[in-house]
Amino acid sequence: GNSVTQMEGPVTLSEEAFLTINCTYTATGYPSLFWYVQYPGEGLQLLLKATKADDKGSNKGFEATYRKETTSFHLEKGSVQVSDSAVYFCALTVNTGNQFYFGTGTSLTVIP
Amino acid sequence: EAQVTQNPRYLITVTGKKLTVTCSQNMNHEYMSWYRQDPGLGLRQIYYSMNVEVTDKGDVPEGYKVSRKEKRNFPLILESPSPNQTSLYFCASSRLAGTYNEQFFGPGTRLTVL
Repeated sequence: GNSVTQMEGPVTLSEEAFLTINCTYTATGYPSLFWYVQYPGEGLQLLLKATKADDKGSNKGFEATYRKETTSFHLEKGSVQVSDSAVYFCALTVNTGNQFYFGTGTSLTVIP
Repeated sequence: EAQVTQNPRYLITVTGKKLTVTCSQNMNHEYMSWYRQDPGLGLRQIYYSMNVEVTDKGDVPEGYKVSRKEKRNFPLILESPSPNQTSLYFCASSRLAGTYNEQFFGPGTRLTVL
């Protein structure tokens, strides 16, 4: 089947620390991969995406590379800020692009 | 302002009392979807719609109904709510169905079924 596994949280980092949130997937077809972010009390927003192997999605200093050989799409940022505190969701869609599968979410808190 | 709106934002109800959560988007999006968010389970897709009068089941459709009579609206209907449907619900829309475009999410509806 199709599923996404994210690292367990919560994650607490100091400002300017390096961030990695792990995401691995299983898919019956050729997936497209996404990272969404949810700020407190809000809906999800797309952070970045990659639609084919070796693509790198990037936005607001965050990056993730679609690794087909390891079925992974880890999220990284070189220097986090307090404003990055949120819940991060890895997600995939396959084939028709109509059905989506989300991970359980990883809560990030950045302290000054 | 381009947005997805949901109503109500908060709802407390009792087992078996039919309810409808409305979802509306003003972006002329083709694709709309409903999700529920539960602790430890993340978001799970309930139903999606690729266009007017075209809907399909997601991962967890049991106990829910949807309709898409107009492009902008996609209501979620719980005919006989049960406590296990207590959750945070999100509606989302995307410009085109069958593509990998960004989904725009509403603010969420927190439902409690007693």
